[in-house]
Amino acid sequence: QVQLVQSGAEVKKPGASVKVSCKASGYTFSNYGITWVRQAPGQGLEWMGWISAYNGNTNYAQKLQGRVTMTTDTSTSTAYMELRSLRSDDTAVYYCARDRDSSTSDVWGQGTTVTVSS
Amino acid sequence: DIQMTQSPSSLSASVGDRVTITCQASQDISNYLNWYQQKPGKAPKLLIYDASNLETGVPSRFSGSGSGTDFTVTISSLQPEDFATYYCQQYDSLPRTFGPGTKVDIK
Repeated sequence: QVQLVQSGAEVKKPGASVKVSCKASGYTFSNYGITWVRQAPGQGLEWMGWISAYNGNTNYAQKLQGRVTMTTDTSTSTAYMELRSLRSDDTAVYYCARDRDSSTSDVWGQGTTVTVSS
Repeated sequence: DIQMTQSPSSLSASVGDRVTITCQASQDISNYLNWYQQKPGKAPKLLIYDASNLETGVPSRFSGSGSGTDFTVTISSLQPEDFATYYCQQYDSLPRTFGPGTKVDIK
């Protein structure tokens, strides 16, 4: 079945970087994009950006520009999201999701908790 | 950026009730709207895409409507498993913004 499996929880200090992985299975990875969404504790959903697994094109939320990089490795059907210069307000659950038609996220990973604390 | 609002922010309802949640966009987004359901500690789940198309496997008690700036999702007869938070999301333009969510809990 189609699934996305994310890497485990991370604890980072302010100023550090984190790289979350998202391994896809059950479908042709390069036929879809991957969207990243985060959710701070007790808060709503925030769209972070999107990457095409076909050609690596990306679109990032403006507030994260310069701090976030999304990549894919088609040989392992894995997407990555790296966030740098971490701050306490980056503490959140980070989700990857398969993007259908560059519009709709139809399959989601289980989420990765990233905690930023000194 | 397109701003999305939802009302109400929360509601209490009983099993069997008809429930309607409203989503409004700050500008015309045609029908470029998704609805997601999220339960505590779980990833969101796609319910409706293109404003009114039911995702495969989603019960028919869910329905979506609207176009332009005003949209609704309706649960015709609320079931115990429907108690959750519901989010709308526009994909007319980047960033693909979400509404703040509507929490549906048990009366």
